[in-house]
Amino acid sequence: DTGVSQDPRHKITKRGQNVTFRCDPISEHNRLYWYRQTLGQGPEFLTYFQNEAQLEKSRLLSDRFSAERPKGSFSTLEIQRTEQGDSAMYLCASSSGLESYNEQFFGPGTRLTVL
Amino acid sequence: AQKITQTQPGMFVQEKEAVTLDCTYDTSDPSYGLFWYKQPSSGEMIFLIYQGSYDQQNATEGRYSLNFQKARKSANLVISASQLGDSAMYFCAMNGYSTLTFGKGTMLLVSP
Repeated sequence: DTGVSQDPRHKITKRGQNVTFRCDPISEHNRLYWYRQTLGQGPEFLTYFQNEAQLEKSRLLSDRFSAERPKGSFSTLEIQRTEQGDSAMYLCASSSGLESYNEQFFGPGTRLTVL
Repeated sequence: AQKITQTQPGMFVQEKEAVTLDCTYDTSDPSYGLFWYKQPSSGEMIFLIYQGSYDQQNATEGRYSLNFQKARKSANLVISASQLGDSAMYFCAMNGYSTLTFGKGTMLLVSP
């Protein structure tokens, strides 16, 4: 399967713990995006990479959140000192940027539950 | 700022019937794109259809068509001949420079 993959699919953690999620985009895609989706809402943009450069960050991305894409391939999203409000689905997407409409392909998401 | 509004929290349709899911948008950008995604219970977002703001014709992809009315700022999704597998959340989205802005979604339930 050559789609976007995310790991883990589910994560349960206690408040105050750190968590890290991984996203592997489609191999030829140079753009990678992170979104957060809470219950009953649509996905909300968090951050965006072009190759290894983080080009845009949402105001939703507090200081406790950090994302990296060290070699322009996979990406990690770390949340430090988790809070119950961080419980959500974290979606990763990638695109080639070649099409005029920049279609984004989404992974299956990581569902985070903070107890 | 861009905004997407989906006013239908849920829709019911019988199998083989057509259904329209509403989407209105707001943007000050002269050039933009509108997307519809399907999200089954598994969670993955599945791209359905795209409409560019300068496209002269409404987009169609198989059983999906987009009723684009630029003056009214609406981009409704029409699903013809609904199938049981169409039951899912449907999200309308708009692209900015690099990201997507999503609406809150509409839950579609298709009954036999």
